[in-house]
Formats: sequence, C-alpha cells, structure tokens
Amino acid sequence: DAMVIQNPRYQVTQFGKPVTLSCSQTLNHNVMYWYQQKSSQAPKLLFHYYDKDFNNEADTPDNFQSRRPNTSFCFLDIRSPGLGDAAMYLCATSVGGVGTEAFFGQGTRLTVV
Amino acid sequence: AQSVTQLGSHVSVSEGALVLLRCNYSSSVPPYLFWYVQYPNQGLQLLLKYTTGATLVKGINGFEAEFKKSETSFHLTKPSAHMSDAAEYFCAVSDSNQFYFGTGTSLTVIP
Repeated sequence: DAMVIQNPRYQVTQFGKPVTLSCSQTLNHNVMYWYQQKSSQAPKLLFHYYDKDFNNEADTPDNFQSRRPNTSFCFLDIRSPGLGDAAMYLCATSVGGVGTEAFFGQGTRLTVV
Repeated sequence: AQSVTQLGSHVSVSEGALVLLRCNYSSSVPPYLFWYVQYPNQGLQLLLKYTTGATLVKGINGFEAEFKKSETSFHLTKPSAHMSDAAEYFCAVSDSNQFYFGTGTSLTVIP
C-alpha cells in the first residue's frame, strides 16, 4: 500500500547529541511536511518542501534543519537537541495545491535524556 | 490569515449517544476544511474534507460534517458513539500548501 513511513517510531537521544529522523513516501507527492507535536497540543509546522523548494516557518528554531534528497525521502535533523525538543514529530505529504489533503506518517516519538 | 478554533478541549459522551465536536474557522478566501483523528502514539488520519459543492460531507467511520458559511462553522457529528471513537480530533483549514490545525478535542466515550 502507498503510504508515508517514518523511522524510527521511537528515538531516544542525549541532550546536545545530533539526531536525524527520516520519512519516506510511496505516494509520489510533491509536498512533504515536518510537524512537531507536543503533548495535548496541535501539530506545529516546522517546514515543508514543494519539490525541492524549501519553505521554513518563521518561528522554527535554527536548531532544526531538513533535507530532501529526492522525491521519496525527507529528513529532519536536530543539531543539538534540548529537553524542550522532546515531542512527537510527524511527517506528512500532499499532492499540493488548494483543497488537497495531507497524508501523515505514524510519527516518531523523540525523547531527550 | 486562516485559522480554526475548536470549542471544547474535552468532550465526553456515552456509548450510543450523539457526538458533536465544534469547529469554527476564519478565512479571507473560500476555505478548504478538514477533520483529522489521532489515536494515541499515531499519526493523523483524515476523516473527511470540504472543498466545494455539497455542504454536508460524509467521511469514514460514520462521521459527517456540515459546512455553514453563515456561521463560519464546520462541526463534526456522528449519530451514535462507539468505544473505538475515543481519540483526539483536529479541525484544520488549508491555504494552498499549508494546513492550520485547531488545538484539538479529546473525545472520551463512556460505556
């Protein structure tokens, strides 16, 4: 089945140690998103790619970076994780354009120790 | 700017009772509206969406929502709650390639 796959589902990292979360899609969608979701809160958009065009949200900390080497894969890099970065990270894709829905992966739960 | 407001962060209903989750939107252009459901430690799953056309939209799992422009609302309903409906529900509005989510409503179903 076509889908959005996030790996790993659970990630534990040390304070200050760089970590990378990955997302792949078989939907061949143009747009890929990274959201951060803290407990009992709405998903917060960090950035998105439309094809190779990178769009960063104004309030996304510099500590968060992203790479999209090809259509299928997108990575979230956290350069120096702090305790406040512990959250669920959600990857989503969309065909793009008005009215099209987003398809979400299962998420990666990041714990910072 | 587009936004959605979900009234009621927690809703409890008895099994078999009507489910009503409220969402109001703010949009300067015709809105594209969505309801998503999230189960614990899972991603978001699309329940239904409104783009154009019929204002009563039917989704999965027996849910439906009605777009009311005069009230700027897009409330989610289900005639009879099931235990498996217990989850977090998010209303969202989209603007081209961005989605703006509400703060969510946690639905508890009481047996």
